[in-house]
Amino acid sequence: SQQGEEDPQALSIQEGENATMNCSYKTSINNLQWYRQNSGRGLVHLILIRSNEREKHSGRLRVTLDTSKKSSSLLITASRAADTASYFCATDGSNDMRFGAGTRLTVKP
Amino acid sequence: GAGVSQSPSNKVTEKGKDVELRCDPISGHTALYWYRQSLGQGLEFLIYFQGNSAPDKSGLPSDRFSAERTGGSVSTLTIQRTQQEDSAVYLCASRVQGLAAGTQYFGPGTRLTVL
Repeated sequence: SQQGEEDPQALSIQEGENATMNCSYKTSINNLQWYRQNSGRGLVHLILIRSNEREKHSGRLRVTLDTSKKSSSLLITASRAADTASYFCATDGSNDMRFGAGTRLTVKP
Repeated sequence: GAGVSQSPSNKVTEKGKDVELRCDPISGHTALYWYRQSLGQGLEFLIYFQGNSAPDKSGLPSDRFSAERTGGSVSTLTIQRTQQEDSAVYLCASRVQGLAAGTQYFGPGTRLTVL
């Protein structure tokens, strides 16, 4: 069964704007990861944040984690048309990872 | 190879036929996962292998689905008597297991179409 739930399901923005996607989960985790999937392609790992971390940056990506609220957010700054993809959060428990349904991001040039 | 590989990349089969999907994980990765992704949907966990432990089969949707992992490396996902609702992309992932397991590395997937 799925664990993470992304919000919104779909997001459409103009190039240059920031995009924020949220993820909520239900059980305790070791870490949380964000992945990107371009249409028809495989999953690409973006960033991992551990349960004892609150914020992490990687290039134009910023991820926050609030374990008390069981939620995470992914911020993409200065978006580009090439950022158009589906974004999934994955919660990493003791043994396995569970994925949400994803947020479909469209960045219009 | 450097990454997770899967074969075939595409498989078209007729309803009722059996299919086998193959996954070659990254060498040294003890954990191997199978997921299914239907069109426009998220990833659905199917099965998880960790070393020599009994696999976690809790995600398999029916007894038509089975998987094995030989020698702790290559894995085969078998779907018997395929149905049209089995049409999806089947993704395999591997990683080093443990508390600091970190990233899963995904293969490109096998797109299964059941006619």
